[in-house]
Amino acid sequence: EVQLVESGGGLVQPGGSLRLSCAASGFSFSSYWMDWVRQAPGKGLVWVSRINGDGSSTSYADSVKGRFTISRDNAKNTLYLQMNSLRVEDTAVYYCARDQGGYDYWGQGALVTVSS
Amino acid sequence: DIQMTQSPSSLSASVGDRVTITCRASQGISNYLAWYQQKPGKVPKFLIYAASTLQSGVPSRFSGSGSGTDFTLTISSLQPEDVATYYCQNYYSAPETFGQGTKVEIK
Repeated sequence: EVQLVESGGGLVQPGGSLRLSCAASGFSFSSYWMDWVRQAPGKGLVWVSRINGDGSSTSYADSVKGRFTISRDNAKNTLYLQMNSLRVEDTAVYYCARDQGGYDYWGQGALVTVSS
Repeated sequence: DIQMTQSPSSLSASVGDRVTITCRASQGISNYLAWYQQKPGKVPKFLIYAASTLQSGVPSRFSGSGSGTDFTLTISSLQPEDVATYYCQNYYSAPETFGQGTKVEIK
């Protein structure tokens, strides 16, 4: 059974940092692109970042470029999102998702709240 | 960046009605289009990929069509459990933009 389990969310002050993790199981992790998608409270889905199977190719939404870094450890079947210089507008539920041309599996989401 | 525009932003229909949601891309994306259903407080569910291919386990009352810039999601006979917000997504190129969502309610 495919499972994606996020961790690392929480409350952080503006300007602070947080690292999200997404532990994957039930599939060949290194064979898939993986993405992060976020959803601010009461708002729609917004694509954040993606990474290819061996970690050599990444891309970011303009709103997070230069502040967020996506990475993966295929030995640990884990996807990461390092978030620096956090802003109030980064407050959202962050989902990791398996990218097979559309997202067929999603994690349960990790809530990140940026507030003073 | 490719912009995805959905219409309507919300709709109310009766059980058994045929419901159609439109998604328009700001430039051609071939058939690199996915649809998702999100119920309140839940994780999005993958419905359709490649514009018209139904994901395994999705009821056959859901269907998708289109290519290039214009796409539709159709629910042939609306059921109470279909109350949700529906999103289209371009995966032709990064950023893999979503539409703003269409909220479907029962009249």
